[in-house]
Amino acid sequence: AQKVTQAQTEISVVEKEDVTLDCVYETRDTTYYLFWYKQPPSGELVFLIRRNSFDEQNEISGRYSWNFQKSTSSFNFTITASQVVDSAVYFCALRGGNNRLAFGKGNQVVVIP
Amino acid sequence: ETGVTQTPRHLVMGMTNKKSLKCEQHLGHNAMYWYKQSAKKPLELMFVYNFKEQTENNSVPSRFSPECPNSSHLFLHLHTLQPEDSALYLCASSQDSEVSEQFFGPGTRLTVL
Repeated sequence: AQKVTQAQTEISVVEKEDVTLDCVYETRDTTYYLFWYKQPPSGELVFLIRRNSFDEQNEISGRYSWNFQKSTSSFNFTITASQVVDSAVYFCALRGGNNRLAFGKGNQVVVIP
Repeated sequence: ETGVTQTPRHLVMGMTNKKSLKCEQHLGHNAMYWYKQSAKKPLELMFVYNFKEQTENNSVPSRFSPECPNSSHLFLHLHTLQPEDSALYLCASSQDSEVSEQFFGPGTRLTVL
């Protein structure tokens, strides 16, 4: 079975602070894909990143960065110098051999101006 | 128009009503999905269509009936729903149903009275 755990339900930060969202996953598959999505108040999930299980390189995209640690089954997401527009729910997801996308419960990020 | 669109954005219906949710994708994708997002729960996959054929039904009650007339359109027909069916219903599409990332529509916020 596949499982994604996002332990922090709501995180509040003051604007310009960094915030790290933890994602821990469980799978028996050797090949799998990890994703992060952002869901702003409008409701639409916005795709942020896909990472396959064989690529452990960390990635940076603007103020976003991701840290994939296969040894600890974690795929953490950091927003640097947070802005009010970053306020949203962020979902980590895993796609394994059954091709189903298993989502975590999400992290509600509130950036306070 | 770009991306994945959904109509209506909001729907209120009684338990005896029949209504339909519509999803359209303008991305040339071959796979389409329905998800249910309830408060405090992870996203739940409901149905998967690949090249217009249903490839997955995640034990969804028969009061939800999907229809995929072509690769660009997906419907969810609703009949005799229950109050606990109130949720955000999200449509998504992807290039294929295996590897590629899914792109989501804005969702239909459904309230069943």
